[in-house]
Amino acid sequence: KNQVEQSPQSLIILEGKNCTLQCNYTVSPFSNLRWYKQDTGRGPVSLTIMTFSENTKSNGRYTATLDADTKQSSLHITASQLSDSASYICVVSPRGSTLGRLYFGRGTQLTVWP
Amino acid sequence: NAGVTQTPKFQVLKTGQSMTLQCAQDMNHEYMSWYRQDPGMGLRLIHYSVGAGITDQGEVPNGYNVSRSTTEDFPLRLLSAAPSQTSVYFCASSYSWQDRGYYYGYTFGSGTRLTVV
Repeated sequence: KNQVEQSPQSLIILEGKNCTLQCNYTVSPFSNLRWYKQDTGRGPVSLTIMTFSENTKSNGRYTATLDADTKQSSLHITASQLSDSASYICVVSPRGSTLGRLYFGRGTQLTVWP
Repeated sequence: NAGVTQTPKFQVLKTGQSMTLQCAQDMNHEYMSWYRQDPGMGLRLIHYSVGAGITDQGEVPNGYNVSRSTTEDFPLRLLSAAPSQTSVYFCASSYSWQDRGYYYGYTFGSGTRLTVV
């Protein structure tokens, strides 16, 4: 069964600190993995996307890594800001005829305190 | 550009009523999809479309119908609403996979919060 598991479920950090969010998946065959940020009451917004041939991708203070062999990804947030408080969602696409099907993790709820 | 526009933003239905959630995009995206988001669960794919006239089922299609008569619009129909369909619904669109080998430029709407009583 195609699944995406994220950890931790929730995380609280102080402003200015770094943090790392984890994503494990079983989706196969694999096409690409995305990280999204979802603010409360809003739709998800894309942060990064990586194909199986990429192992790191950065977007400002966000850096995503991918190990396609172990089927693991992480999202590292550097020098956190209050505006980083949101749900971070890992999304995986299969390769082939079902390329259009995205599998979503349940998200990690990040809270940044001043 | 407006991006992906969903209407209405909020809706309350009685059990058994029908309604259509509207989704329109102005980016000439070929791919469009509908998701529902429930507390403590990830977004789940209801239906998707890879182009006008082509639709396919996702993970949770039961109780929902879709059609794609134009590139711009992808309405989601609830034929007989049930309390289990109380959720937040998101529409999303993206460019075709043909350029990069995957669907890219994914854009989500702001959501429709539906309550069925």
